[in-house]
Amino acid sequence: EAQVTQNPRYLITVTGKKLTVTCSQNMNHEYMSWYRQDPGLGLRQIYYSMNVEVTDKGDVPEGYKVSRKEKRNFPLILESPSPNQTSLYFCASSPWGYEQYFGPGTRLTVT
Amino acid sequence: DQQVKQNSPSLSVQEGRISILNCDYTNSMFDYFLWYKKYPAEGPTFLISISSIKDKNEDGRFTVFLNKSAKHLSLHIVPSQPGDSAVYFCAASVGGGSNYKLTFGKGTLLTVNP
Repeated sequence: EAQVTQNPRYLITVTGKKLTVTCSQNMNHEYMSWYRQDPGLGLRQIYYSMNVEVTDKGDVPEGYKVSRKEKRNFPLILESPSPNQTSLYFCASSPWGYEQYFGPGTRLTVT
Repeated sequence: DQQVKQNSPSLSVQEGRISILNCDYTNSMFDYFLWYKKYPAEGPTFLISISSIKDKNEDGRFTVFLNKSAKHLSLHIVPSQPGDSAVYFCAASVGGGSNYKLTFGKGTLLTVNP
């Protein structure tokens, strides 16, 4: 089944404790992206990658890192999480960059 | 500044009637527009798109209209069904295929009542 998977689906952590949210797609898509969804703000793009070793900032990259060492994986790294990074995170992939396929989401709470 | 605006946070319609969801944009460079639907506890799913060279695109019960002079697009759902109840996001992009940065609106919660 073609899909985008994210792990974990739920995470509660404390301020400053490094964490990684994994994203994997099995559709051989070149393009992958991370978004966060917050009440009243909609979906905002954090980072995107057009291919292996090619990444670029979205609208809200501060406090996040990404890497794209393999085509299928695009992990999101929070080196020192803060409470304002409490959010619902979505990973997406696409063969063209527009009609993106989204993962199920990761709900992160930073206390 | 918000470049893609969905000014109606929510919309309620009766089953069988038309649902019209609106979206306005400020960036005249946007040349590709998409609508995504999102159910609770799931990721958004692509619904329909339109290029700026067109003013209408239709897919079954869903039609998107684009008015470039007004920087406005709308999604029409006819007839509306209870299963259409979801949050609908409007998104836009620049670059005609070479830009992969999507800008989303805040979303509109559609409720279709049986």
